[in-house]
Amino acid sequence: QKEVEQDPGPLSVPEGAIVSLNCTYSNSAFQYFMWYRQYSRKGPELLMYTYSSGNKEDGRFTAQVDKSSKYISLFIRDSQPSDSATYLCAMSTNAGKSTFGDGTTLTVKP
Amino acid sequence: DAGITQSPRYKITETGRQVTLMCHQTWSHSYMFWYRQDLGHGLRLIYYSAAADITDKGEVPDGYVVSRSKTENFPLTLESATRSQTSVYFCASSPGVRSNEQFFGPGTRLTVL
Repeated sequence: QKEVEQDPGPLSVPEGAIVSLNCTYSNSAFQYFMWYRQYSRKGPELLMYTYSSGNKEDGRFTAQVDKSSKYISLFIRDSQPSDSATYLCAMSTNAGKSTFGDGTTLTVKP
Repeated sequence: DAGITQSPRYKITETGRQVTLMCHQTWSHSYMFWYRQDLGHGLRLIYYSAAADITDKGEVPDGYVVSRSKTENFPLTLESATRSQTSVYFCASSPGVRSNEQFFGPGTRLTVL
């Protein structure tokens, strides 16, 4: 079993919808939780970064971490066609390297 | 140019040849990483380095060699390329202190015939 499991998708939603992307993990030592966005034929780029449990909001994006359930989510409000991309969750202890989920591909249709 | 760069961006080679993929970062980040990305497998860590002259294996190191004589460079060598090494390769760097954010390069698309 993988340390990080990500809802596989693909996900297709109409413009303006609320999107929920989810990951579960098994390593209770993870303290840092990240979401990366990867556009087609590009490298991933950091979207959200959370330390320990709780919520973090940045514009239309909200990252949620529930360490008791070993579950993290990324919510996108008022989704736009420009949000169409692959979203990767990532987690790490304090060791420098991260463990990535396999990614969820999102398409937002106009 | 500031940031992290990879070269070449595209490479076609033949089975059995040696190939070196280059990675260069200008931030003096301590950590550097090499990943391969294949459909259905996400990002898989090949090797990483915590500092110059310190390297360690990741999830899929077989068939690859790395070195890091300077902080800013982290080349990845395929000693004898195989078709199963056809993939997109990403290099990344991270400050590693109080932040695990990784900054990714644009990728190298490698095809082994």
